[in-house]
Amino acid sequence: EDQVTQSPEALRLQEGESSSLNCSYTVSGLRGLFWYRQDPGKGPEFLFTLYSAGEEKEKERLKATLTKKESFLHITAPKPEDSATYLCAVNWGAGGTSYGKLTFGQGTILTVHP
Amino acid sequence: SAVISQKPSRDICQRGTSLTIQCQVDSQVTMMFWYRQQPGQSLTLIATANQGSEATYESGFVIDKFPISRPNLTFSTLTVSNMSPEDSSIYLCSVRTQGGWETQYFGPGTRLLVL
Repeated sequence: EDQVTQSPEALRLQEGESSSLNCSYTVSGLRGLFWYRQDPGKGPEFLFTLYSAGEEKEKERLKATLTKKESFLHITAPKPEDSATYLCAVNWGAGGTSYGKLTFGQGTILTVHP
Repeated sequence: SAVISQKPSRDICQRGTSLTIQCQVDSQVTMMFWYRQQPGQSLTLIATANQGSEATYESGFVIDKFPISRPNLTFSTLTVSNMSPEDSSIYLCSVRTQGGWETQYFGPGTRLLVL
């Protein structure tokens, strides 16, 4: 049973063509939802943490939003340097041994063509 | 945030041997974790490295195969024992900093190829 699902698996955009990535989750007791960017051969780079439905955060061309069932990562006027794999992860559970653990989605591979 | 380094950055190993990966953080952290990222896949948590006590392993991972040490608040090691080609992956250390509510930062990873 998938707990964190990202779509699409891959997304090709032209430079300047805005779009959104989706992360849906089916866990209970969400403590936080995280977005990371991962470049080939490197570790994930932290982007955002969202804690409650309705929350939004922005950084440059990226904006992350959260509802009770999913999160969106909106990319406005993307540039080729935005090409990367974007990972969504959730921390959830009632506490104890689940504290601090992240469950990751499969990621969306974004390619932005000049 | 935290600056995390891992050694080695990559290695090629023979079947049946063991490799120890080091993770060093530039500040004291409350929690350290080890993840595996198999080729073309997302990240899977191996274990939580507990300072001064035995690591807490996730389902499917055992101490005999992935022994972990954490002697202090800035350092941890993960050993991949008796390796097989199926262990070829990227191994990543992550930390949650003191006062850093829930956010985890990742190291650059160790790329392992087992022949």
